[in-house]
Amino acid sequence: AQSVTQLDSQVPVFEEAPVELRCNYSSSVSVYLFWYVQYPNQGLQLLLKYLSGSTLVKGINGFEAEFNKSQTSFHLRKPSVHISDTAEYFCAVTLMDSSYKLIFGSGTRLLVRP
Amino acid sequence: EAQVTQNPRYLITVTGKKLTVTCSQNMNHEYMSWYRQDPGLGLRQIYYSMNVEVTDKGDVPEGYKVSRKEKRNFPLILESPSPNQTSLYFCASSSPGTSHGYTFGSGTRLTVV
Repeated sequence: AQSVTQLDSQVPVFEEAPVELRCNYSSSVSVYLFWYVQYPNQGLQLLLKYLSGSTLVKGINGFEAEFNKSQTSFHLRKPSVHISDTAEYFCAVTLMDSSYKLIFGSGTRLLVRP
Repeated sequence: EAQVTQNPRYLITVTGKKLTVTCSQNMNHEYMSWYRQDPGLGLRQIYYSMNVEVTDKGDVPEGYKVSRKEKRNFPLILESPSPNQTSLYFCASSSPGTSHGYTFGSGTRLTVV
């Protein structure tokens, strides 16, 4: 069965420090990979996506992620976080089969402290 | 503006009173889907539709119904809501050929008392 695992439910970090949010997936079919962000009391916003090509993808707000096929990982990074980055981050995969199903991880709450 | 519109944003209802949450998209997307979001569980798929008149169960379909009579609309129906259906609901749409990922609505926070 396909699944997405976000190992950290909450990541506290000080402002201007670097951060990495981890994501691993398991799938028997090829996938597209996504990171979504959800700010407090808001909907989901696409942060970045990996479809093919370069394994390092850049997204909005200074975030980037690296796809590692051998480790089936898609970790999200930012070199210097801001208070405004406080939000919940979801890793997700879309199955590249007839279902085109979007499967989410359980989410990581990033808490940026001054 | 390309968007997915859900209504209502907030809803408080009583156990057993039928309700419908509407979802509409203006991007001519073939795929539409409903998710519920619960703390610590992420988003779980309730139902999805690959096109008009084609719907199928997701991971947590019990207690829900859907219909897809028009391409743009995909309402979620709770025939007899129960407190365990208190959750945040999201509608999403996508077109596989574009690989743009899914576009999400703003969410509906449902409380069943």
